Amino acid sequence: DAGVTQSPTHLIKTRGQQVTLRCSPKSGHDTVSWYQQALGQGPQFIFQYYEEEERQRGNFPDRFSGHQFPNYSSELNVNALLLGDSALYLCASRHPSTDTQYFGPGTRLTVL
Amino acid sequence: GDSVTQMEGPVTLSEEAFLTINCTYTATGYPSLFWYVQYPGEGLQLLLKATKADDKGSNKGFEATYRKETTSFHLEKGSVQVSDSAVYFCALVNSGGYQKVTFGIGTKLQVIP
Repeated sequence: DAGVTQSPTHLIKTRGQQVTLRCSPKSGHDTVSWYQQALGQGPQFIFQYYEEEERQRGNFPDRFSGHQFPNYSSELNVNALLLGDSALYLCASRHPSTDTQYFGPGTRLTVL
Repeated sequence: GDSVTQMEGPVTLSEEAFLTINCTYTATGYPSLFWYVQYPGEGLQLLLKATKADDKGSNKGFEATYRKETTSFHLEKGSVQVSDSAVYFCALVNSGGYQKVTFGIGTKLQVIP
């Protein structure tokens, strides 16, 4: 059983550009959440998707947007990149019967 | 709002030493509590969990007991190994809302031979 997968592994962008990160949840999981982990910090909740809709959002600006597809996979889009967006972006998925979230390996985004 | 406070590291121990990483939380309702581990350059792995008061989560020699009266979930291991070197995150998921995970800042553990 494959775990949560994310792509790409690493990404380098320049300020002002746009980026799309991708996530495939574990089999049977229908809820996907995204987190931002700055260096030396704990992950911060960005938003959560369920049934292709954003269900809850953390304290992140509208430059951060997402999407969930009918197969439950998800994308995170960040527009007008800032240097401060450099971080590890983690995707997590959850089975409907449990409150446990399983995390992917993350995408390391560097903004120059 | 919900919050998790854990001891800041780094924590440096010799192999076979006893480990305690303190974690306390603030939450409304009845949260589930978790410990996640992050090895260098990797994502988060679930280490253990507890869903109600007095539950003990355990895995790979690590243990933590859900103490509602002290709002704590301290992580312990009797004898650490070099391979346990990693960053450990205490976290909670509240029973209300849509179950986002609230994390502590993380505690870096370094075990030396």
